[in-house]
Amino acid sequence: DTGVSQNPRHKITKRGQNVTFRCDPISEHNRLYWYRQTLGQGPEFLTYFQNEAQLEKSRLLSDRFSAERPKGSFSTLEIQRTEQGDSAMYLCASRPSGWDRSSWIYGYTFGSGTRLTVV
Amino acid sequence: AQKVTQAQTEISVVEKEDVTLDCVYETRDTTYYLFWYKQPPSGELVFLIRRNSFDEQNEISGRYSWNFQKSTSSFNFTITASQVVDSAVYFCALSEVAGNAGNMLTFGGGTRLMVKP
Repeated sequence: DTGVSQNPRHKITKRGQNVTFRCDPISEHNRLYWYRQTLGQGPEFLTYFQNEAQLEKSRLLSDRFSAERPKGSFSTLEIQRTEQGDSAMYLCASRPSGWDRSSWIYGYTFGSGTRLTVV
Repeated sequence: AQKVTQAQTEISVVEKEDVTLDCVYETRDTTYYLFWYKQPPSGELVFLIRRNSFDEQNEISGRYSWNFQKSTSSFNFTITASQVVDSAVYFCALSEVAGNAGNMLTFGGGTRLMVKP
């Protein structure tokens, strides 16, 4: 397993267009998270899945954002009618659930992110 | 609500100097986890360390060391004999236990470290 994979790495889109990003987590990790990182800031939580269930969404996730994780494997994050304020790095992370020491020793595993630029 | 503050937005040092990155956190939870991550220019967040709130023992890993002080709500990170490859943005993060079933991370704003040859 080569870690968490995100595609595309970069996306430039015109304001008002829809975009979709994909995240492939580590296969045995049943938890998957999306974070958003704007320039010069730390990542902010958007939403997370346990298997295929979306269990929590941040208030940052407006109605224009939707995330799915069909069959509990890969996940997609779609932004409809993009705005310039959506320009950011979108990071995906995965980890096993549970509180045993082994699942927390290495924390989350993050992907390299998708950098979105809305022009 | 939880909060993580990294007051140093940017630090510049010359290679072989020691450097300490500060992290101060706020939480009402008595059980929580603290993390440090490194973000090189490639973008991915690289895990460095996790510390439990009930374990105040400091830790050393090679040139890296961490000083956790619950009394001052600080979790500082020191790089000894810095190298150019240490240049990156470093993030401190907090994960509360109570009311955080998803174990989400709250990140600080990051400190950009530049190590010059």
